[in-house]
Amino acid sequence: GDSVTQMEGPVTLSEEAFLTINCTYTATGYPSLFWYVQYPGEGLQLLLKATKADDKGSNKGFEATYRKETTSFHLEKGSVQVSDSAVYFCALTAGGTSYGKLTFGQGTILTVHP
Amino acid sequence: SQTIHQWPATLVQPVGSPLSLECTVEGTSNPNLYWYRQAAGRGLQLLFYSVGIGQISSEVPQNLSASRPQDRQFILSSKKLLLSDSGFYLCAWNGRNTEAFFGQGTRLTVV
Repeated sequence: GDSVTQMEGPVTLSEEAFLTINCTYTATGYPSLFWYVQYPGEGLQLLLKATKADDKGSNKGFEATYRKETTSFHLEKGSVQVSDSAVYFCALTAGGTSYGKLTFGQGTILTVHP
Repeated sequence: SQTIHQWPATLVQPVGSPLSLECTVEGTSNPNLYWYRQAAGRGLQLLFYSVGIGQISSEVPQNLSASRPQDRQFILSSKKLLLSDSGFYLCAWNGRNTEAFFGQGTRLTVV
């Protein structure tokens, strides 16, 4: 079956540091890939997505590129802020009407210190 | 605009007691609806999904059940809770060819 393997956390960084959270996947066919973020006390929010190979999703300074050859979708940000402290989830789905049937990674806790 | 409401936010229940978590969506019609659970130290796992009133698909065998009595209402239930039912429960919806939108979640502790 489909699976997502996400970088173990927690990750602790200083403000303005570079962030990478690794995500690799196993799936049949051509899945759509997502990064969701969960801020403290809140539900999940979509951060970015990519629906086909070589697509780059971006939002709020975060980026991730759909790499079919390495089955990866690593999340990056050039300069993190304290407000980026949250739990980040990598996920995939078959797409279309199945966009809500997500397979999630374990989640990575990010803490950014001033 | 569409919104999703999920309640309660936190719940502490004794073993063997019943459970009912409710989720409603506003601003859309005929959404796909989902229940996810995050157990401690584990990722989010899809429990149930529904593509229409009265249509429920279960992804994993468990002590829980789901119902969709109305188009935009999704209920997660249990007749007798187990300790292993503790976790963070999230409701979600999506429309045709849209990404999933999640509720705020319910933290359930079974004691």
